[in-house]
Amino acid sequence: ETGVTQTPRHLVMGMTNKKSLKCEQHLGHNAMYWYKQSAKKPLELMFVYSLEERVENNSVPSRFSPECPNSSHLFLHLHTLQPEDSALYLCASSPTNLPYEQYFGPGTRLTVT
Amino acid sequence: GESVGLHLPTLSVQEGDNSIINCAYSNSASDYFIWYKQESGKGPQFIIDIRSNMDKRQGQRVTVLLNKTVKHLSLQIAATQPGDSAVYFCAVPGRGSYKLIFGSGTRLLVRP
Repeated sequence: ETGVTQTPRHLVMGMTNKKSLKCEQHLGHNAMYWYKQSAKKPLELMFVYSLEERVENNSVPSRFSPECPNSSHLFLHLHTLQPEDSALYLCASSPTNLPYEQYFGPGTRLTVT
Repeated sequence: GESVGLHLPTLSVQEGDNSIINCAYSNSASDYFIWYKQESGKGPQFIIDIRSNMDKRQGQRVTVLLNKTVKHLSLQIAATQPGDSAVYFCAVPGRGSYKLIFGSGTRLLVRP
């Protein structure tokens, strides 16, 4: 295992629901990332937190709201999603001084109905 | 902006043969390159990296070759095994300190 866990592993939600994805890392890293992985498309970086401060926000719609309460935990709050938001959402972490050595969790497979 | 492209969406090889997965990048100023492997049901896993001051780097059964002249990167897997079946991505740093630009991936299928 990579030391990065994500829950839930699968989620089906309606467009009016509110849900949250959780990520936890046990590697002592200080940077955490959310990526979206859609079929036949490259991984898309959504958000980056370094030392619990958001340092990257890649033009992500406001229906996705990240939260980083401490350096070990990262959440992605979801509300009023669209069917095209269905994808695999991956969390990753890295040391802040080695931001490109990213360790990924297994992802949450999200289906919006 | 930066872009990364992989040459083949799927590569099928016989078990025991060598595999070569190719990647092209657009930014000649890129100085660091990474290969990731993603198995079914898992997140991407770091395999090997190389800096632009090197042409070749070897790991355990894997070798990465960098040709800066043509902006081309390749991952070679020796004696391919069934456990090597996965999607392989190359990635380069993007703008900003934390951004990685990923290619679209090559799916490696290993025939028994």
